[in-house]
Amino acid sequence: DAGVIQSPRHEVTEMGQEVTLRCKPISGHNSLFWYRQTMMRGLELLIYFNNNVPIDDSGMPEDRFSAKMPNASFSTLKIQPSEPRDSAVYFCASSGGQWGNQPQHFGDGTRLSIL
Amino acid sequence: GIQVEQSPPDLILQEGANSTLRCNFSDSVNNLQWFHQNPWGQLINLFYIPSGTKQNGRLSATTVATERYSLLYISSSQTTDSGVYFCAVAIYGGATNKLIFGTGTLLAVQP
Repeated sequence: DAGVIQSPRHEVTEMGQEVTLRCKPISGHNSLFWYRQTMMRGLELLIYFNNNVPIDDSGMPEDRFSAKMPNASFSTLKIQPSEPRDSAVYFCASSGGQWGNQPQHFGDGTRLSIL
Repeated sequence: GIQVEQSPPDLILQEGANSTLRCNFSDSVNNLQWFHQNPWGQLINLFYIPSGTKQNGRLSATTVATERYSLLYISSSQTTDSGVYFCAVAIYGGATNKLIFGTGTLLAVQP
């Protein structure tokens, strides 16, 4: 079975540019999560969706960050404009079950570097 | 907010040794998961265990929800067990999906 698929694996871009990260969850999973991992702050939940609807975006750092889930098999996390402090590894995860009583499965992450 | 503390912060083992990792949390939880982040950065879900005991091969986990802790046991450790082990919880009464991660235990297994 295919796991959670993220693209790109690595992204290097200059400050001020728009960055779009992509995620395909595991088929049949109805919850999708975006996390950010840094040395200073560890793993943080940015936003999660249930049945394609954003449920909690309280972890999104600021208005420069936005996330969408237009259908059950695709989600994007966009940063515009990007800043060097956005450099991190961004993970997407998905899980089945509507009430969080299922394991979360992570993609391999996108390593983002903003110069 | 809820505090999730893991101990020890780092651990070095010889191959074949056993170890116990601990996760303490400061509030009641309705979700607890253990993850392994390997040296390549991949995060693997080991257990979904809000209470009780589960075993999977050389790994087992026990959560005592009433006393607000969980333990991860690794027996007969192998070099492939190296990496960071994270505990993550969701607050009881809140969104079960909203996991808060601990700071992790860094494990190095030497041949």
